[in-house]
Amino acid sequence: QKEVEQNSGPLSVPEGAIASLNCTYSDRGSQSFFWYRQYSGKSPELIMFIYSNGDKEDGRFTAQLNKASQYVSLLIRDSQPSDSATYLCAVIRSSGSARQLTFGSGTQLTVLP
Amino acid sequence: GAGVSQSPSNKVTEKGKDVELRCDPISGHTALYWYRQRLGQGLEFLIYFQGNSAPDKSGLPSDRFSAERTGESVSTLTIQRTQQEDSAVYLCASSLVDRNYGYTFGSGTRLTVV
Repeated sequence: QKEVEQNSGPLSVPEGAIASLNCTYSDRGSQSFFWYRQYSGKSPELIMFIYSNGDKEDGRFTAQLNKASQYVSLLIRDSQPSDSATYLCAVIRSSGSARQLTFGSGTQLTVLP
Repeated sequence: GAGVSQSPSNKVTEKGKDVELRCDPISGHTALYWYRQRLGQGLEFLIYFQGNSAPDKSGLPSDRFSAERTGESVSTLTIQRTQQEDSAVYLCASSLVDRNYGYTFGSGTRLTVV
């Protein structure tokens, strides 16, 4: 089982719709959760982080965390073609002094005009 | 600096040669990380520095890979006797010591071994 799993997609949504991106993780003690956006040929950029159960909203983006289900999601409201990118879920595991992020393989999102 | 700076941005090398990749983190960021991303793949952790010590080298794929960091500044990743499977984008990131705020990535070095 991979430590962080994402549906690779591609996920296509029409412009203006809600895009829902999902991620599960295997380490129940994981504490911090991140969503990065990566445009083709570019480096990842941080969109959101969350570490408490529930929802966290920032503009058109909402991160949702459910530690009991080991599930974290990202909702993008009013999707725009400029949101087309690969979205990477990442967690900091609980083991020892580990500080590095463990990444999923990413979900490719295409927003159709 | 304003962001994480990596050099070179592109490197083409012959199989068997050594290469050195450089990362200059954001000023004041004590933690520095190296990742590798093969074409169409996710990010693979290589090594983490806190200051100039490396508490976690678990991701280095073989003894051909090594890294060092000078103080809380520049880091170099060295790959000896490069192989074609080393071809990838090598990404460096830095963060404040508080890991809850994630990292800032550099633009990466695209390494091609021919």
